[in-house]
Amino acid sequence: GQQLNQSPQSMFIQEGEDVSMNCTSSSIFNTWLWYKQDPGEGPVLLIALYKAGELTSNGRLTAQFGITRKDSFLNISASIPSDVGIYFCAGPTTSGTYKYIFGTGTRLKVLA
Amino acid sequence: SQTIHQWPATLVQPVGSPLSLECTVEGTSNPNLYWYRQAAGRGLQLLFYSVGIGQISSEVPQNLSASRPQDRQFILSSKKLLLSDSGFYLCAWSGSGYEQYFGPGTRLTVT
Repeated sequence: GQQLNQSPQSMFIQEGEDVSMNCTSSSIFNTWLWYKQDPGEGPVLLIALYKAGELTSNGRLTAQFGITRKDSFLNISASIPSDVGIYFCAGPTTSGTYKYIFGTGTRLKVLA
Repeated sequence: SQTIHQWPATLVQPVGSPLSLECTVEGTSNPNLYWYRQAAGRGLQLLFYSVGIGQISSEVPQNLSASRPQDRQFILSSKKLLLSDSGFYLCAWSGSGYEQYFGPGTRLTVT
């Protein structure tokens, strides 16, 4: 079945630094979703991507839909302490079952 | 705008007791509804999803069941809880687009 691999699994960065994380799959996705989850809360949708090559921003966050449709990237510029959390990539399966596949998450910790 | 509610927010139940978690969605009609479980520090495990009233698809054989008695209501149940049922339960919905939105979650501790 379809799987999503996220990297890195975790990262510590200094406040003000830029952050990059990615999500890869061995199969094609037609939509990429990026979420952030704070401790004890539900994931919040940050960015949705619908077209290969698409580059979309949401404030300091920028995500890209890979040209091959098998990967996606999320960048956070000038990180701040509230960026701490777990970032998940996800996408609806292409099997027509209405299910979604989620990556294993990237845990981000920002050092002030 | 659409909103999704879950209750209760937290729950502590003894082993062998029944469970009922409720999820409701407002501001949309005929949503696809989902139940996920998340173990501490882990990813999301899809438990059930529903594309319409009375239509439930189960992903993992387990001690839980789901029902959809109304268009925007999704219920997760168990007749007898196990210790392994502890976790963070998330309800989610999707509509005609491909975006999926999550509720605030229910923290279940089985003692």
